[in-house]
Amino acid sequence: KAGVTQTPRYLIKTRGQQVTLSCSPISGHRSVSWYQQTPGQGLQFLFEYFSETQRNKGNFPGRFSGRQFSNSRSEMNVSTLELGDSALYLCASSPSGITLSYEQYFGPGTRLTVT
Amino acid sequence: AQKITQTQPGMFVQEKEAVTLDCTYDTSDQSYGLFWYKQPSSGEMIFLIYQGSYDEQNATEGRYSLNFQKARKSANLVISASQLGDSAMYFCAMRGTQGGSEKLVFGKGTKLTVNP
Repeated sequence: KAGVTQTPRYLIKTRGQQVTLSCSPISGHRSVSWYQQTPGQGLQFLFEYFSETQRNKGNFPGRFSGRQFSNSRSEMNVSTLELGDSALYLCASSPSGITLSYEQYFGPGTRLTVT
Repeated sequence: AQKITQTQPGMFVQEKEAVTLDCTYDTSDQSYGLFWYKQPSSGEMIFLIYQGSYDEQNATEGRYSLNFQKARKSANLVISASQLGDSAMYFCAMRGTQGGSEKLVFGKGTKLTVNP
């Protein structure tokens, strides 16, 4: 079975632009979660989607949004990029319907650099 | 608010020895879950072990065990018989409820180096 895939793996954007990151979960997984990892703030939970609905949300501004499609693939969008948005964005999928299940399988991440 | 504290930025251990990585947490939830993840230099997060707040027995998964002391609000990870491949960042995390939403809160992590 293929693992969680994230595209692109690396991205460089300019302040003020917007960006869309993609996550394809493991086949059969219906839950997808997103996380931001920075040296200063560490790992922070962004949001979780299950069956195309946002089920849980972390403490991030409205510039961060996401969605999930009927095939469980998920996208995360960040508008009006700021320098502080430079981070590794991790996506995780879970076969469980239990919210934020421990059985999460992570992708390799997308490294976003904002200049 | 939920908070996870990992007080050891870095730890060193000799190959084949055991090592304990510390994690304390703060929550007012009655029901919560505690996780440990490993992040090698490649960047992928790997789930290691889980402990539910109502679980009476300490969780174990192969060479990993979780020393859960509820009264002290600690959930230390014990790795037995360390291997060179155990060198990585280790994150403690907690699932809890805040503002009506469930969320995962992570600690800052501990960098473990296993020496041959």
